[in-house]
Amino acid sequence: GESVGLHLPTLSVQEGDNSIINCAYSNSASDYFIWYKQESGKGPQFIIDIRSNMDKRQGQRVTVLLNKTVKHLSLQIAATQPGDSAVYFCAENRGSARQLTFGSGTQLTVLP
Amino acid sequence: DGGITQSPKYLFRKEGQNVTLSCEQNLNHDAMYWYRQDPGQGLRLIYYSQIVNDFQKGDIAEGYSVSREKKESFPLTVTSAQKNPTAFYLCASSLQGSTEAFFGQGTRLTVV
Repeated sequence: GESVGLHLPTLSVQEGDNSIINCAYSNSASDYFIWYKQESGKGPQFIIDIRSNMDKRQGQRVTVLLNKTVKHLSLQIAATQPGDSAVYFCAENRGSARQLTFGSGTQLTVLP
Repeated sequence: DGGITQSPKYLFRKEGQNVTLSCEQNLNHDAMYWYRQDPGQGLRLIYYSQIVNDFQKGDIAEGYSVSREKKESFPLTVTSAQKNPTAFYLCASSLQGSTEAFFGQGTRLTVV
């Protein structure tokens, strides 16, 4: 079946370094991909999205890259800060109701 | 402040009892969603509603019921038929056609 998954369940980075979180997807019909950040005990927060007709999109300190050839999505966080510690989910859009299929998440830990 | 509010934050119930989780939004969003999150896993869609008085089953609707009598409200009832109800429940809303879903802070339900 179709699925969205993450390569690594945990990622630790030094404060100030760049972080890269990866995601693989298998539904070639998906037209939107979204990254969410979820802090402990809270609901997910939208970070950035990208349409399938793009291969790169930048936000404030974050960049999402989409490689449709290998069905791979990544989130890059520049100059990682302690407040970036959280679980990061990628999600793909499917269906006309804009339903989202979520991956299992990557726990990012920022080391001092 | 505009937002989406879930209540209560923590809920304890005895096995065999039905329980209703509240979700209210004042964002004037048409679409609302309920997700379930289990430890170390992504979000799974329970039910969604695109418009008042209409809703559709998501991927794991068995043992749950919803209503959408008002645009602002989308309560979720966890019935005694749900075999493993203990989980973190997240409600979300979005503008029709938007990729950005706004999440509530979640309700952690524990059934003993």
